[in-house]
Amino acid sequence: DAGVIQSPRHEVTEMGQEVTLRCKPISGHNSLFWYRQTMMRGLELLIYFNNNVPIDDSGMPEDRFSAKMPNASFSTLKIQPSEPRDSAVYFCASSSDLATDTQYFGPGTRLTVL
Amino acid sequence: RKEVEQDPGPFNVPEGATVAFNCTYSNSASQSFFWYRQDCRKEPKLLMSVYSSGNEDGRFTAQLNRASQYISLLIRDSKLSDSATYLCVVGSSSASKIIFGSGTRLSIRP
Repeated sequence: DAGVIQSPRHEVTEMGQEVTLRCKPISGHNSLFWYRQTMMRGLELLIYFNNNVPIDDSGMPEDRFSAKMPNASFSTLKIQPSEPRDSAVYFCASSSDLATDTQYFGPGTRLTVL
Repeated sequence: RKEVEQDPGPFNVPEGATVAFNCTYSNSASQSFFWYRQDCRKEPKLLMSVYSSGNEDGRFTAQLNRASQYISLLIRDSKLSDSATYLCVVGSSSASKIIFGSGTRLSIRP
């Protein structure tokens, strides 16, 4: 099993640019989660999907952030336009049940916005 | 009040010591509980699930107290390799959510 796959692993961009983070969940998992982690704020849940449908996006910081899950094997998190305060590690995780099963995390994307 | 609260630490203990963390949760309808471990610059990984009757995995023991709405993690005979951040996780099917605590940092010194 390849686990949760995220790309890119590292991204350095300039303020104002669009950033797209990608995630491939574990095959057969029907729940997918996007998190952001910083030293100051810890691990924050941004949005999660169940069966490709967004369930709760209340953690998305503002309209500059958007997420999609067009099918069961792919999701994107987009930031447009990016700002320096978006610099963080973004994790994607998947599980076979929204609230009761283990979440498996990808290795994360380390985003730096200059 | 946060839905899941942990003491952020850091806990700095000598090798071989016993250390315990607590985590409180606010939703009494929660029914799934976990401890995750996160090493520096790595992703969180499941350490152990927490069952109503309590459970043990080697040097690690997890307990659930539903009446007081907290879970605990006990690490015996701590090793240098136990140094990490430990995240408490609580899930509720009725609320369709799973929540991570902010984590407790543990540092084991030689």
